[in-house]
Amino acid sequence: ETGVTQSPTHLIKTRGQQVTLRCSSQSGHNTVSWYQQALGQGPQFIFQYYREEENGRGNFPPRFSGLQFPNYSSELNVNALELDDSALYLCASSLPRQENTEAFFGQGTRLTVV
Amino acid sequence: AQRVTQPEKLLSVFKGAPVELKCNYSYSGSPELFWYVQYSRQRLQLLLRHISRESIKGFTADLNKGETSFHLKKPFAQEEDSAMYYCALSPGMNTGFQKLVFGTGTRLLVSP
Repeated sequence: ETGVTQSPTHLIKTRGQQVTLRCSSQSGHNTVSWYQQALGQGPQFIFQYYREEENGRGNFPPRFSGLQFPNYSSELNVNALELDDSALYLCASSLPRQENTEAFFGQGTRLTVV
Repeated sequence: AQRVTQPEKLLSVFKGAPVELKCNYSYSGSPELFWYVQYSRQRLQLLLRHISRESIKGFTADLNKGETSFHLKKPFAQEEDSAMYYCALSPGMNTGFQKLVFGTGTRLLVSP
């Protein structure tokens, strides 16, 4: 059984650019959630994908978007990057909500916007 | 509004001393409460959840709905307990999806 993996581990982008972060969910997990963790803060929920559709969203603007693929892997896309988007982005996979399951986190992608 | 408050950024204790990491929450329904831990250079992982009512690595946490608290306790701290601890809340089942609302975290430092 493999854990949640995220790529890349680090990247630097310029303000105004677009970025795509990737996440492979844990084997058997069909639900993927994305979180943003700013320095000194706890993770903040961005959105969740289940069966390739977004089924929940936090307080983030539309320039944060995502995809989930048939193999349950996921992408987080951020357009028009702002300096405040600099953060650690965490992906978490789990079984569906009704199964009352644990969320397993990846190691994160550190995004720096300059 | 859903909010989790961890009032201490840093808690420093000596090995063998009791530990209590405080967590208070605000939520109008019946949430699930969790403690997540992040050891140095490791990923965030679940430590315990209130519905399990179990002790993990000597840690326990009791949900007090009257005080809206979910404090994490351990009677005798060990050096390997040094880590970042996050309290988290998940809204009730009727939301249709699971999200975690995290506090800002407490760094526990256990000195020899």
